[in-house]
Amino acid sequence: DIQMTQSPSFLSASVGDRVTINCKASQNINKYLNWYQQKLGEAPKRLIYNTNNLRTGIPSRFSGSGSGTDYTLTISSLQPEDFATYFCLQHNSFLNTFGAGTKLELK
Amino acid sequence: EVQLVESGGGLVQPGRSMKLSCAASGFTFSNYGMAWVRQAPTKGLEWVATISYDGSSTYYRDSVKGRFTISRDNAKTTLYLQMNSLRSEDTATYYCTRDPPVGALDYWGQGVMVTVSS
Repeated sequence: DIQMTQSPSFLSASVGDRVTINCKASQNINKYLNWYQQKLGEAPKRLIYNTNNLRTGIPSRFSGSGSGTDYTLTISSLQPEDFATYFCLQHNSFLNTFGAGTKLELK
Repeated sequence: EVQLVESGGGLVQPGRSMKLSCAASGFTFSNYGMAWVRQAPTKGLEWVATISYDGSSTYYRDSVKGRFTISRDNAKTTLYLQMNSLRSEDTATYYCTRDPPVGALDYWGQGVMVTVSS
């Protein structure tokens, strides 16, 4: 099975900051990498699919990049509503795997 | 509007069975693969199982293989998860998700809680 290593686990930042979250796969996942945002008590919401495709309605301050085994989610200028937990998901194989999550907190 | 509504959760004793349902609406259900994802309390997300659009192919994580069965009824636009021989480590919120051909796991239900405890 493909393992996903997500970092950092916790991130403390301020409104207006630029932040990056990383996911590293145990093997090449051919850009089949999604990013999800989850707020407390809510279902996850897909932000980005296949590395860099922004879901309709998601603000352009969110972006994704990467290839091979290394992928990044960037939030260019944090807004108050962005403080949440973020997960990556590889779907290169039918046996999908998630990263462990990054909790983004207000500094 | 895509809607996925899970039901059937609750408290169950170890070793017993439970069946979850997910009623889908707002899209052509028979055109999409579907999946279940779970999240243990205060933990991360864990993919459980996927079923193809026509039910002909199914995939499971190792820890549930042989105990859980994912199925669907396209006429009723409903997804199921039959869970047998439940263990305490199966305690989680179970989410029903749509699995499109491009991009995977795009829409999620609100989730249903399953607690396995004596």
